[in-house]
Amino acid sequence: GENVEQHPSTLSVQEGDSAVIKCTYSDSASNYFPWYKQELGKRPQLIIDIRSNVGEKKDQRIAVTLNKTAKHFSLHITETQPEDSAVYFCAASTVGSQGNLIFGKGTKLSVKP
Amino acid sequence: GAGVSQTPSNKVTEKGKYVELRCDPISGHTALYWYRQSLGQGPEFLIYFQGTGAADDSGLPNDRFFAVRPEGSVSTLKIQRTERGDSAVYLCASSFGGPIEAFFGQGTRLTVV
Repeated sequence: GENVEQHPSTLSVQEGDSAVIKCTYSDSASNYFPWYKQELGKRPQLIIDIRSNVGEKKDQRIAVTLNKTAKHFSLHITETQPEDSAVYFCAASTVGSQGNLIFGKGTKLSVKP
Repeated sequence: GAGVSQTPSNKVTEKGKYVELRCDPISGHTALYWYRQSLGQGPEFLIYFQGTGAADDSGLPNDRFFAVRPEGSVSTLKIQRTERGDSAVYLCASSFGGPIEAFFGQGTRLTVV
């Protein structure tokens, strides 16, 4: 089955700096890669996703890149703000097959003002 | 409703007891997922429903865990003979189909004492 590894487990940056979180997956059939943000005590919220037919997707300060050959994908947050502080989870899935989302273990991002 | 609703929000039960956790998905969503999240970990897949049927139940840890979705909307996760190791936050997510844009509920925090 699919296995998703996520690094780093914790990340601390200064406000205004960029943050990068990286994930690798094992199943070459995976074709859908969402990222979720979870604030303390709250539900995971979808912030961006990418499908395997594109290499990059941007939404304001957030971008995700995908390298299918290397089986890794990354989340990039630019101009970080204190409200970006949260735990971020990557996930992988095979749309059209079993459909279950397999999550990484998460990255705790702290943005210091 | 406006979002995925889970009840109860908190449940404390004694070891060996039976519990039921309820999930009300977003109206019109045919796909429904159950996950378990332990402290400091990513969501762990349990079961995925497409309509009324379980499309994938490979994540259920043992036969004490069972889930139903009889009318293709509300789902109930049932845990028999609870153990202290079952303590976790149980998350439900729904989508229009498969893993694309799955939205999570707030979760049920289960504590087995």
